[in-house]
Amino acid sequence: AQKITQTQPGMFVQEKEAVTLDCTYDTSDPSYGLFWYKQPSSGEMIFLIYQGSYDQQNATEGRYSLNFQKARKSANLVISASQLGDSAMYFCAMREGEPNFGNEKLTFGTGTRLTIIP
Amino acid sequence: GEEVAQTPKHLVRGEGQKAKLYCAPIKGHSYVFWYQQVLKNEFKFLISFQNENVFDETGMPKERFSAKCLPNSPCSLEIQATKLEDSAVYFCASTGGSYNEQFFGPGTRLTVL
Repeated sequence: AQKITQTQPGMFVQEKEAVTLDCTYDTSDPSYGLFWYKQPSSGEMIFLIYQGSYDQQNATEGRYSLNFQKARKSANLVISASQLGDSAMYFCAMREGEPNFGNEKLTFGTGTRLTIIP
Repeated sequence: GEEVAQTPKHLVRGEGQKAKLYCAPIKGHSYVFWYQQVLKNEFKFLISFQNENVFDETGMPKERFSAKCLPNSPCSLEIQATKLEDSAVYFCASTGGSYNEQFFGPGTRLTVL
């Protein structure tokens, strides 16, 4: 079974609109972390936001927020007021295990290609 | 340094040739990870290190892939006898942050002809 599922291969969104990118995950470990990365066409991986499994509140970072629904095992990324520069691939990833050991690999979804339309 | 550095940026090899990729993690980060990205959307974990010790190598095709992280040297990933399917972007990442955010290098694009 896939550990990280991103069901939207591609999305087109009008500039200035909000967009939600879906991510569901599968783990039996009670402690895990969920990450979103942005990969523009230039290829680098840019960290956007993190949510820990024990965090009580949804994570937010500027225009990015994470809609964390633990019971449904979903961690959707919400981008508010989209900009042309948001056009990129977006990857959801999971770390399984206790935090602060720094040694757990990330498992990635297959990504969503977001295109912002002017 | 403050960024993960990877060299070279691009590498072209004929099938059967050796390829060696390098990674300098962020100074002070103890953990290094190697990932392979194929077809622009599939990431595969290869190996991780805690300082110079291999921590997890469950993703490594051991018959042709090897990796090292030696003190005072960049980490390296070596592929002996490359195959066409090794064509990919190889990312190195390091971590030492409070929640283990992995900082990625710019990647090395390996093309096997």
